[in-house]
Amino acid sequence: KAGVTQTPRYLIKTRGQQVTLSCSPISGHRSVSWYQQTPGQGLQFLFEYFSETQRNKGNFPGRFSGRQFSNSRSEMNVSTLELGDSALYLCASSLEKPGLGYGYTFGSGTRLTVV
Amino acid sequence: DAKTTQPNSMESNEEEPVHLPCNHSTISGTDYIHWYRQLPSQGPEYVIHGLTSNVNNRMASLAIAEDRKSSTLILHRATLRDAAVYYCILASGSARQLTFGSGTQLTVLP
Repeated sequence: KAGVTQTPRYLIKTRGQQVTLSCSPISGHRSVSWYQQTPGQGLQFLFEYFSETQRNKGNFPGRFSGRQFSNSRSEMNVSTLELGDSALYLCASSLEKPGLGYGYTFGSGTRLTVV
Repeated sequence: DAKTTQPNSMESNEEEPVHLPCNHSTISGTDYIHWYRQLPSQGPEYVIHGLTSNVNNRMASLAIAEDRKSSTLILHRATLRDAAVYYCILASGSARQLTFGSGTQLTVLP
């Protein structure tokens, strides 16, 4: 079956701009999570959506937002980009939460560079 | 979620077994133990998870100590493609996210 698809793979933006990243989960998966990975902070949780509702949010400023559509596809948006937002953004899909013993399938990520 | 402790790095020879340890002394009774790995330039990849009993799948085995305060991921025959950062993560019953630590960088020597 098809894996988690993230688009675009690479993106270069200028400070102050905004960006939208897209994630298509595995068919049948209703949970979609987003993570930011940087060399200094490692993998950090951004937010999680389940059936179009945000169930959980990490410790990121309000410039980071997301949404999930009825087909489970998800987008995340970062407004007023800062140099520190340069990172690999990863999307993961799952049937349910890991606390119930479900594993995540991650996409290959979107590499965002802010200049 | 409870914390895990892993060695920063380990080395193994190709085609030999690898035992990757993880300590989680504050684990609670409902915490699942998850293992993921991340190859260079890729997203993390699910390896295995378990609750109390040892688990096996096509990728690896997970050995869980009887008191659940530690676990070991076993790669039965390491290949060069197994070189990656391996993350041991605890997920409580209410957890809706995975909390990644710094993991163990596994180097496989030919």
